[in-house]
Amino acid sequence: KAGVTQTPRYLIKTRGQQVTLSCSPISGHRSVSWYQQTPGQGLQFLFEYFSETQRNKGNFPGRFSGRQFSNSRSEMNVSTLELGDSALYLCASSPRDSHSGTGELFFGEGSRLTVL
Amino acid sequence: QKEVEQNSGPLSVPEGAIASLNCTYSDRVSQSFFWYRQYSGKSPELIMSIYSNGDKEDGRFTAQLNKASQYVSLLIRDSQPSDSATYLCAVWGYSGGGADGLTFGKGTHLIIQP
Repeated sequence: KAGVTQTPRYLIKTRGQQVTLSCSPISGHRSVSWYQQTPGQGLQFLFEYFSETQRNKGNFPGRFSGRQFSNSRSEMNVSTLELGDSALYLCASSPRDSHSGTGELFFGEGSRLTVL
Repeated sequence: QKEVEQNSGPLSVPEGAIASLNCTYSDRVSQSFFWYRQYSGKSPELIMSIYSNGDKEDGRFTAQLNKASQYVSLLIRDSQPSDSATYLCAVWGYSGGGADGLTFGKGTHLIIQP
């Protein structure tokens, strides 16, 4: 069974640009969550989608957005990039949504974004 | 907002000994607790979950939960060099807006010395 696939794996952008990251969950998983990981702040929750609906959103500015498609694939977008947005962006899928409380997330390898 | 606190380490433990990792959380309504392991340059993977007070054992791993003290721990018996990694404590629960995403601590870096 294929794992969670994230693309691109690495990318470099400049301040003010926008970026779109893609995530394909494990087959059959309908929940997709996005996390930002930095050395200083650790793993921080961005948002969760389940069956194309945003279920939860973390404390990030509106420049961070996402969506989920009918095939459960998800994208996240960051507009007007800032230097502080440099991070590893991790996507995780789960067979159940967060309301189940199971917390079993399967993470992809991440997309490492560098903002210059 | 939930806070999950862990000692960042590094925690150095000799091979074969017991490694003890600790985590405290701020939100009393937190309901589910998890330990993830992250090797350097890799993504986190779930190794233990615990939902009720007490101990839960899985192989060399034991998770302990004390909701009254808002404390979660992970014990690794017979530590192996392959256990060297960062261990992330994660907490889930409801807040005023409904169910939250998992809140992670910043992790404890564990080093098992051969």
